[in-house]
Amino acid sequence: GENVEQHPSTLSVQEGDSAVIKCTYSDSASNYFPWYKQELGKGPQLIIDIRSNVGEKKDQRIAVTLNKTAKHFSLHITETQPEDSAVYFCAANRGSQGNLIFGKGTKLSVKP
Amino acid sequence: EAGVAQSPRYKIIEKRQSVAFWCNPISGHATLYWYQQILGQGPKLLIQFQNNGVVDDSQLPKDRFSAERLKGVDSTLKIQPAKLEDSAVYLCASNYVRDWRGYTFGSGTRLTVV
Repeated sequence: GENVEQHPSTLSVQEGDSAVIKCTYSDSASNYFPWYKQELGKGPQLIIDIRSNVGEKKDQRIAVTLNKTAKHFSLHITETQPEDSAVYFCAANRGSQGNLIFGKGTKLSVKP
Repeated sequence: EAGVAQSPRYKIIEKRQSVAFWCNPISGHATLYWYQQILGQGPKLLIQFQNNGVVDDSQLPKDRFSAERLKGVDSTLKIQPAKLEDSAVYLCASNYVRDWRGYTFGSGTRLTVV
């Protein structure tokens, strides 16, 4: 079945450094790739998304890149801050069915 | 706008008991989802409604899990009887039909089965 793989599972960086999280997907029909941030005790919150007709999208310190040929997409966070510490999930839509498949998550720790 | 509301926030039950969770989506959102998030994993879809009809319940363990959305607004998810492996956070999400950016999650219900 459809699958989304996410790496790494944990990531520790110093404040001010960059963080990169990578995902791969299996469903060729996927055309929407969001990233969610989940803080302790809260539901996932959308932070950025990209559609298949775009290769890169940026919003202040975060950016997402997409390589449809390789079925890869990545999240880049620059100038990390302690408040960026959270679990990040990538996701892809399941073709036309209108729901999202999630990766297993990356726990990001930003050390002051 | 108000977010997706879920209750209760926490629930502890013994195995073989039954439990129900409630979700009130964002006003006007026709599509409602229930996800199960086991500790350390990503959310996994259980069931998707559009208005009061089921769109996808392929991953719902139908021998013990049931869900309904009678008037196309609120939804309840029930587990009967619960097993230890059902311990997880149950997340509700909603969005406008095919409006991907509107996919909004509630804070979830943390279920512990002992």
